[in-house]
Amino acid sequence: SQQGEEDPQALSIQEGENATMNCSYKTSINNLQWYRQNSGRGLVHLILIRSNEREKHSGRLRVTLDTSKKSSSLLITASRAADTASYFCATDAKQTGANNLFFGTGTRLTVIP
Amino acid sequence: DVKVTQSSRYLVKRTGEKVFLECVQDMDHENMFWYRQDPGLGLRLIYFSYDVKMKEKGDIPEGYSVSREKKERFSLILESASTNQTSMYLCASSSQRESDTQYFGPGTRLTVL
Repeated sequence: SQQGEEDPQALSIQEGENATMNCSYKTSINNLQWYRQNSGRGLVHLILIRSNEREKHSGRLRVTLDTSKKSSSLLITASRAADTASYFCATDAKQTGANNLFFGTGTRLTVIP
Repeated sequence: DVKVTQSSRYLVKRTGEKVFLECVQDMDHENMFWYRQDPGLGLRLIYFSYDVKMKEKGDIPEGYSVSREKKERFSLILESASTNQTSMYLCASSSQRESDTQYFGPGTRLTVL
């Protein structure tokens, strides 16, 4: 399976601290994405990094990708209570007609006010 | 903004019932997906479709079928619901042009008694 795996499974930090989540995957990819899911809701796309990129920023988010290690990390700086959610990495698998994504099991982040 | 809607947020059905989960997207996306999400297992792809009347099996199609009669609508059908189909069901869509990013609906939490 190409499914990604996030690490840690759960993370609890104080507001203002940085949160780092990691993702490992098994096969070659074209890109890797991070999604966020608030409790009981759908997933929301956060950021995409392509296989030829090593680092990407979006606001307080910083994503790195190491294709040699088949791993990625998501850093949320200056965390806020509203960042409390589950975070998933997703890798692509090009198939005929549609691009499927393989999701990891997620990291549950709790930011304590 | 892309909007993906699902017909119900919560649904309770009895074993053996036929269950329809509806998903509608308003962005003229070609690709649509049905996932189920269970604790510790992440998101698993049930079926996907990249065009009207086209469907492809995902990782766990057993016990499910789908229908895509119109481009904006993708229905998931549980022919005879069983208790092991109690889960959160998430619909997503993506465009062929920007096929890397999927847009998710809010999810339907289905309980089969």
